[in-house]
Amino acid sequence: DAGVIQSPRHEVTEMGQEVTLRCKPISGHNSLFWYRQTMMRGLELLIYFNNNVPIDDSGMPEDRFSAKMPNASFSTLKIQPSEPRDSAVYFCASSTGESDTQYFGPGTRLTVL
Amino acid sequence: LAKTTQPISMDSYEGQEVNITCSHNNIATNDYITWYQQFPSQGPRFIIQGYKTKVTNEVASLFIPADRKSSTLSLPRVSLSDTAVYYCLPRKDSSYKLIFGSGTRLLVRP
Repeated sequence: DAGVIQSPRHEVTEMGQEVTLRCKPISGHNSLFWYRQTMMRGLELLIYFNNNVPIDDSGMPEDRFSAKMPNASFSTLKIQPSEPRDSAVYFCASSTGESDTQYFGPGTRLTVL
Repeated sequence: LAKTTQPISMDSYEGQEVNITCSHNNIATNDYITWYQQFPSQGPRFIIQGYKTKVTNEVASLFIPADRKSSTLSLPRVSLSDTAVYYCLPRKDSSYKLIFGSGTRLLVRP
């Protein structure tokens, strides 16, 4: 079975550039989560979608970050403009229901120079 | 959510049983205890979840005493591939929130 798919796996960009991270959740899962992991702050929830609708975006750092889920099989996390402090590993996770087990993707390692 | 305390790191050898204890003194009545495992360069993976007493699956066992102020993840006969970070997370029933702490970095040596 295909798990959560994320692309790209690695992204290196320069400060000020737009970055788009992509996620394909497990088929049939209704809940999708975006997390960010850094050494300093650990793993943090950025935003949660249920049935393609953003439910909780309280973890989104600032207006430079935006996330969309145009359909049940695709989501994007966009950073514009990117800054060096955005360097982190970004994970997407999905679950069948809001409180069910979350399955994480392999992550996207973002480096902003 | 309850604050958790786990050892920062643990060392073990192949074939040994490893027990990782997590303290959660102010755990709420409707909190479950969930454990995740994270290998290097991968996302966290659910291992086991319990409310009280003992839960066992094909990967691990979870022991939760009656007062529920702590829990112990038990990994039987570890192998090198069990080297990972293990997170203990109290989780409210019917909640999507996973609050990851620092976890315990387990190193299994040959």
